[in-house]
Amino acid sequence: SQTIHQWPATLVQPVGSPLSLECTVEGTSNPNLYWYRQAAGRGLQLLFYSIGIDQISSEVPQNLSASRPQDRQFILSSKKLLLSDSGFYLCAWSQHNNSPLHFGNGTRLTVT
Amino acid sequence: SQQGEEDPQALSIQEGENATMNCSYKTSINNLQWYRQNSGRGLVHLILIRSNEREKHSGRLRVTLDTSKKSSSLLITASRAADTASYFCATDARGTDKLIFGTGTRLQVFP
Repeated sequence: SQTIHQWPATLVQPVGSPLSLECTVEGTSNPNLYWYRQAAGRGLQLLFYSIGIDQISSEVPQNLSASRPQDRQFILSSKKLLLSDSGFYLCAWSQHNNSPLHFGNGTRLTVT
Repeated sequence: SQQGEEDPQALSIQEGENATMNCSYKTSINNLQWYRQNSGRGLVHLILIRSNEREKHSGRLRVTLDTSKKSSSLLITASRAADTASYFCATDARGTDKLIFGTGTRLQVFP
């Protein structure tokens, strides 16, 4: 069966520090991969999505970047965090377009 | 701007009552999906309805889709305290690979 792992679960980082959040999927190949951010009590904002290695689309101009070094690995990064980067970050995968998303348990990021 | 908007933003009911949540969207879609999120957790997929379908059932869930009005509704029948969560609709704009989520409805079911 397929599983998705996202870590860390919580993270407290000072302003200006770098960020690296990892997400890996097991049990499937060539998944679509997604990074979403959720502000407290709000909906999900799509940050990045990838339909394959070296195929990453950015949805919102921001202080973040994404990479997909392996087929089932998706990394969210920042060189210098801002206070506004605080939020709940969710990684997800789907088998193909128009199919359901499967989410990780999320990373709660607090930038202080 | 967001593809989907849910209403109400919050809903409080007693156990046994039905809960209805609505979702509106803006562009043509291939399908519409509903998800549930328990506090502080990832989202869980509930049901998917395709653009050529009008109604779909899954257990106590009933979803309707009206593409002419660009709207959908999620009905949870005979609600339980364990149904307390936030519920989101999500749509894929035709010709894209991305799934856009609405703002969500926070459902509170009191025992």
